[in-house]
Amino acid sequence: EAQVTQNPRYLITVTGKKLTVTCSQNMNHEYMSWYRQDPGLGLRQIYYSMNVEVTDKGDVPEGYKVSRKEKRNFPLILESPSPNQTSLYFCASSFRGFSPLHFGNGTRLTVT
Amino acid sequence: AQKVTQAQTEISVVEKEDVTLDCVYETRDTTYYLFWYKQPPSGELVFLIRRNSFDEQNEISGRYSWNFQKSTSSFNFTITASQVVDSAVYFCALSESISGGYQKVTFGTGTKLQVIP
Repeated sequence: EAQVTQNPRYLITVTGKKLTVTCSQNMNHEYMSWYRQDPGLGLRQIYYSMNVEVTDKGDVPEGYKVSRKEKRNFPLILESPSPNQTSLYFCASSFRGFSPLHFGNGTRLTVT
Repeated sequence: AQKVTQAQTEISVVEKEDVTLDCVYETRDTTYYLFWYKQPPSGELVFLIRRNSFDEQNEISGRYSWNFQKSTSSFNFTITASQVVDSAVYFCALSESISGGYQKVTFGTGTKLQVIP
């Protein structure tokens, strides 16, 4: 089944404790991206990647890192999480940037 | 910079009423794509439609229809004879080229539609 898999679904952590949210797709998509969803702000892009080893900042990249060493994986790294990064995170992929996005099921992160 | 505006934050309608969700976009590109996505209460995000900037034909799919007008930079979404299952947050999105041949996707803030039985 074609899908984007994000893990974990729920994560509660404390300020400053490094964490990684994994994202994997099995559709051989070139384009992958991370979004955060906050009430009243919609979906805001954190980082995106056009292909392996090609990444760029989205609209809200501060406090986040990504890497794209393999085509299928695009992990989101929070080196030192802070409470303002409490949010619902979505990973997405598409064949190309103009193609429809396939989304993961989301990761609800709480930073205390 | 590209921008997508969904001015309607929340809409409530009674079942079987028609409802239109507005989307206005800004872009300097001549080639771009517009999308609508649905997020039901269960939380997943589902693709509904894509339109490219050269195709202004309206689209109809069952009870759903989309009106793309470049003259007003709008890509509105109409649900005819709404049903409770249409209750969701709907997002409009714009994808355009940026430097280096890459594409950037920008979402609107979403419109929450509640269909009351």
